[in-house]
Amino acid sequence: DSGVTQTPKHLITATGQRVTLRCSPRSGDLSVYWYQQSLDQGLQFLIQYYNGEERAKGNILERFSAQQFPDLHSELNLSSLELGDSALYFCASSAASGGTKQYFGPGTRLTVT
Amino acid sequence: GIQVEQSPPDLILQEGANSTLRCNFSDSVNNLQWFHQNPWGQLINLFYIPSGTKQNGRLSATTVATERYSLLYISSSQTTDSGVYFCAVESNFGNEKLTFGTGTRLTIIP
Repeated sequence: DSGVTQTPKHLITATGQRVTLRCSPRSGDLSVYWYQQSLDQGLQFLIQYYNGEERAKGNILERFSAQQFPDLHSELNLSSLELGDSALYFCASSAASGGTKQYFGPGTRLTVT
Repeated sequence: GIQVEQSPPDLILQEGANSTLRCNFSDSVNNLQWFHQNPWGQLINLFYIPSGTKQNGRLSATTVATERYSLLYISSSQTTDSGVYFCAVESNFGNEKLTFGTGTRLTIIP
């Protein structure tokens, strides 16, 4: 158990809908990262937050947004969902920002039908 | 951005065999992690090893940062070792994200 929790574990929804994925980092970790794993793109970095502030952005679509709250949990919002958004979404956390071990949660499997 | 290549892409071994998985990266790094993704999709962190050598039971890893590669050794393979092994690196010169390789799919046959 990495200490990172993600909810829900599975999510099935229809095209055009909006969903929210939630992540609670390990106790004491200030950084939260979101990654997407799809069959055609592999594991890709989406976005990072550090202590409530956006720190780095990767290949995140404009339809996706995220935030980190004062209690350090984070949410990833996916809107206007398309079939191609079906993927495993991982959250990771680390104590600092950069050069430190990232701990991964169990992931949320999103299926868009 | 940094490039990460893993080899071989696929490996099929008999139970009890040993294996070596390789990860090459194109730039200097300040973070390198090895993961095992099990058949249920969970990413299990095996090693945090930006340099040097570490061992954990039947698994060990070595990173030679100056030559930009890392090796993961699995000895006396068991069927539970099956899955995909990923190497992920964080560049010294980019943002603090991990860039993943495409993985090595390991299948252990009883």
